[in-house]
Amino acid sequence: GAGVSQSPSNKVTEKGKDVELRCDPISGHTALYWYRQSLGQGLEFLIYFQGNSAPDKSGLPSDRFSAERTGGSVSTLTIQRTQQEDSAVYLCASSSQHYEQYFGPGTRLTVT
Amino acid sequence: KQEVTQIPAALSVPEGENLVLNCSFTDSAIYNLQWFRQDPGKGLTSLLLIQSSQREQTSGRLNASLDKSSGRSTLYIAASQPGDSATYLCAVKAGGANSKLTFGKGITLSVRP
Repeated sequence: GAGVSQSPSNKVTEKGKDVELRCDPISGHTALYWYRQSLGQGLEFLIYFQGNSAPDKSGLPSDRFSAERTGGSVSTLTIQRTQQEDSAVYLCASSSQHYEQYFGPGTRLTVT
Repeated sequence: KQEVTQIPAALSVPEGENLVLNCSFTDSAIYNLQWFRQDPGKGLTSLLLIQSSQREQTSGRLNASLDKSSGRSTLYIAASQPGDSATYLCAVKAGGANSKLTFGKGITLSVRP
């Protein structure tokens, strides 16, 4: 079956604009994660959704970042008033009851 | 706070060599450990997953071991090939089955023909 998909694959935006990044998890996976990969910082956890439970937002770097997951499937990560330090690759992952996380190809965000 | 370390950051070996990639973590109370491969400009591909109750997992030329008490894991690659050139990331999961992964910064491997 299809893996995790993300769109867009690349996004260039001007400083101060809002952006939305989309993640389509593997069908049937109940858990969905967002991570960010920056040069020199490695992979950082942002937010995690599990079924109908309240999301774990402990990794969001500021209140400019938010995410939602509609209908237990597709998720959107929104960054408001983008800053240059937001430039990174944003990765989405999903997992099933077997707990192995499968990653999408990522969205490369460049803030100019 | 869990910290994951992978040293060295880069490694270059001739084709055919057997090699070991190391990963260490500070908190031994992990749920599982996963090794990933990342090619330039691409996402992560899961290689091996070791549950906390397991000591090792094997897939083809890859073997991963886990020693929870010492906070270490190794990824063994047999008979390395140029196609193995990539960045290898180690990640641990603590706090339950569906909690977040904490990643090391990865080891960039180059296998010379």
